[in-house]
Amino acid sequence: KNEVEQSPQNLTAQEGEFITINCSYSVGISALHWLQQHPGGGIVSLFMLSSGKKKHGRLIATINIQEKHSSLHITASHPRDSAVYICAVTGTYKYIFGTGTRLKVLA
Amino acid sequence: ETGVTQSPTHLIKTRGQQVTLRCSSQSGHNTVSWYQQALGQGPQFIFQYYREEENGRGNFPPRFSGLQFPNYSSELNVNALELDDSALYLCASSSSGIKVPDTQYFGPGTRLTVL
Repeated sequence: KNEVEQSPQNLTAQEGEFITINCSYSVGISALHWLQQHPGGGIVSLFMLSSGKKKHGRLIATINIQEKHSSLHITASHPRDSAVYICAVTGTYKYIFGTGTRLKVLA
Repeated sequence: ETGVTQSPTHLIKTRGQQVTLRCSSQSGHNTVSWYQQALGQGPQFIFQYYREEENGRGNFPPRFSGLQFPNYSSELNVNALELDDSALYLCASSSSGIKVPDTQYFGPGTRLTVL
């Protein structure tokens, strides 16, 4: 079993839909990160969370430390949101990554 | 302020050869981490350098080695290449050192193909 599990693995949505991606982890962490990876490889950091909730534009990330669970929500999804979304956790110095959720938003 | 850069972008090698990948960290960052991402998988931690010293290492054999230079740029060296080494190699830099979790800024990656 991976230390960081994401669901779903693949997701197809229509433009405008509300999207939720889930992440569960089994190790002690000091922070959880949501990352976006576009085709070609570049990774962009979206959020770093250690508690509660953060919002940036149409993206919202929440974390429940007791349940070891985080969610990434995208409101009013758009085709440009199509990418792989990766959850990663940090204990001390390194990231432990989930396998990612491949999101495709259709126009 | 320049971001994290990596070179080369693509590389093709044959089994048994050696390869050196390079990473220039973001201005002001003193910590560099290297990750290997196989196709369809999440990145796996190789090692991290902080102020020219190896700070931690993942589950990779000794033929994966690295360096960090006084300007905090870094190299990843892989000896005796194997087919399974084919992957996207990502470096990421941060400024927090080794004790504090911080956002890491990723380079675009080097795609290595081993034939």
